[in-house]
Amino acid sequence: QQQVKQSPQSLIVQKGGISIINCAYENTAFDYFPWYQQFPGKGPALLIAIRPDVSEKKEGRFTISFNKSAKQFSLHIMDSQPGDSATYFCAASITGTASKLTFGTGTRLQVTL
Amino acid sequence: EPEVTQTPSHQVTQMGQEVILRCVPISNHLYFYWYRQILGQKVEFLVSFYNNEISEKSEIFDDQFSVERPDGSNFTLKIRSTKLEDSAMYFCASSKRQGLDTGELFFGEGSRLTVL
Repeated sequence: QQQVKQSPQSLIVQKGGISIINCAYENTAFDYFPWYQQFPGKGPALLIAIRPDVSEKKEGRFTISFNKSAKQFSLHIMDSQPGDSATYFCAASITGTASKLTFGTGTRLQVTL
Repeated sequence: EPEVTQTPSHQVTQMGQEVILRCVPISNHLYFYWYRQILGQKVEFLVSFYNNEISEKSEIFDDQFSVERPDGSNFTLKIRSTKLEDSAMYFCASSKRQGLDTGELFFGEGSRLTVL
């Protein structure tokens, strides 16, 4: 019940296209859903996060869509750029659990010219 | 910009040896964590630490693992007797507080541990 399932495993998008990564969770107690971006040889870095009281959050080219009833959330990267090429992890946690994040399995995004 | 720093960046050790991985969290952060990532797999929670004691630990964090904040700035992860399956990238992370900021972790660049 603690799993967060992420798809696709890898994604190739042309420059200027939209990248979409999906995640699904089971534990309804999760109430914080961050996305992390990881470049090779680096640690994960917080990209954007959402709480279940809103259905969408946008920061620049990055948007999280959240569907509470379906227990799903997704990351949309608009106007994808080669510099966006990285591994993206969705995650979930429960407020008050000392930030114990449950990560998805990751999506390797490659943005081609 | 403040950052979490980790040393060493890469350590190679023989099976059965003790290993200590070191981390300097961001100075005004109060919560500290270790996560690990086996090559090509997801990031997994190991342990959280607050107020000089473990807050929560995963089933991975067995008796071979321990954490310590020896001097108010460093945060260490010790593996007493390493096994081949301990080979992974170990990430230290810190956060300012719980509550509304839950999940806003700042990760270091990781320490790659290779057990031979």
